[in-house]
Amino acid sequence: KAGVTQTPRYLIKTRGQQVTLSCSPISGHRSVSWYQQTPGQGLQFLFEYFSETQRNKGNFPGRFSGRQFSNSRSEMNVSTLELGDSALYLCASSLWSSDTQYFGPGTRLTVL
Amino acid sequence: KNEVEQSPQNLTAQEGEFITINCSYSVGISALHWLQQHPGGGIVSLFMLSSGKKKHGRLIATINIQEKHSSLHITASHPRDSAVYICAVARNTGNQFYFGTGTSLTVIP
Repeated sequence: KAGVTQTPRYLIKTRGQQVTLSCSPISGHRSVSWYQQTPGQGLQFLFEYFSETQRNKGNFPGRFSGRQFSNSRSEMNVSTLELGDSALYLCASSLWSSDTQYFGPGTRLTVL
Repeated sequence: KNEVEQSPQNLTAQEGEFITINCSYSVGISALHWLQQHPGGGIVSLFMLSSGKKKHGRLIATINIQEKHSSLHITASHPRDSAVYICAVARNTGNQFYFGTGTSLTVIP
């Protein structure tokens, strides 16, 4: 089976812009979770989608949003980018919630 | 206060040594995960535990639910084990994950 894929792998944006990141889970996986990783804060949970419904959300402002499509592919959107949003954004898929997570390679976002 | 505490933060070992990384958590959990992250960012899930002990090759993970503590052991460490090891817990009140700050392991030949 193909692994989790994320596009794009690298992205440079300027403050105030918005960005959309994409994640394709492993075939058959219905849960997709998103994480932010920064040197200062480490890994932080953003949100989880299961069967097109957001099941859980971490402590991030409303500028961070996501959605999941019927084929389980997921997108994450960040509006009004701030310098502090520069990070590695990882998605992970699993068969069920709280199951073994399979991580994608991540999208490295740089906000200038 | 962090919900998940890991120790040590950094660890240097000689090849062949037995290594232990500890994780303590303060919330009710449905499962605990051990993750490995190599330079370059890729994360691999090593174990998912809700009780007892699991073994995979030279890696052993244990969890004590009553004490809210887990350990990851590496037997006969090898330079390719050099990576950051991260403990993560899934809360039992939902699927929100909390992460430890990671343990950076360097194994010297």
